[in-house]
Amino acid sequence: NAGVTQTPKFQVLKTGQSMTLQCAQDMNHEYMSWYRQDPGMGLRLIHYSVGAGITDQGEVPNGYNVSRSTTEDFPLRLLSAAPSQTSVYFCASSPAGVGRGDTQYFGPGTRLTVL
Amino acid sequence: GIQVEQSPPDLILQEGANSTLRCNFSDSVNNLQWFHQNPWGQLINLFYIPSGTKQNGRLSATTVATERYSLLYISSSQTTDSGVYFCAVKSKGGSEKLVFGKGTKLTVNP
Repeated sequence: NAGVTQTPKFQVLKTGQSMTLQCAQDMNHEYMSWYRQDPGMGLRLIHYSVGAGITDQGEVPNGYNVSRSTTEDFPLRLLSAAPSQTSVYFCASSPAGVGRGDTQYFGPGTRLTVL
Repeated sequence: GIQVEQSPPDLILQEGANSTLRCNFSDSVNNLQWFHQNPWGQLINLFYIPSGTKQNGRLSATTVATERYSLLYISSSQTTDSGVYFCAVKSKGGSEKLVFGKGTKLTVNP
């Protein structure tokens, strides 16, 4: 199993540009989520999904869109990038929801800089 | 929403020393996990421990759910233990969101 994969590893954008961060898992996990990590802030939940076709907002959803058309993929879209979105983004997955005791498996992260 | 506080924010040890990291949370939880983020940024789950005690080699964790705190013990620390340790919780009855503390940065010197 490749586990949780994220692409790209690094990205530089200009303000106003759009892009999609890709996340995929090959473990048939139902639950997937996106976090951002900023210095001194820990990880903050952006969006999550409990299964294909179902998504919901986390703590900091503004400026980000998600969709979950398949179990395997959970892309994160930035429609109009802003410097405040400069961060490291992590995707995670678990067999079922976080309320059921499943551990979270994290991808390697995407380091995004918005100029 | 639920609040998670970790202490200390920074910890510097000599190799071989023991340490205790603390996680306080503000509400009842049905999920509590400890993670280690290594210096290269990789996040690894250490324990799922909403209550009770678990041990894995030199690491052990205890959660006292009634008093809303969890402790992570590292014994005979090694330089490879360096990194940031995060506690993450989900409140009982809440939505499917895992809330992270800000972490404890551990540096183990040789």
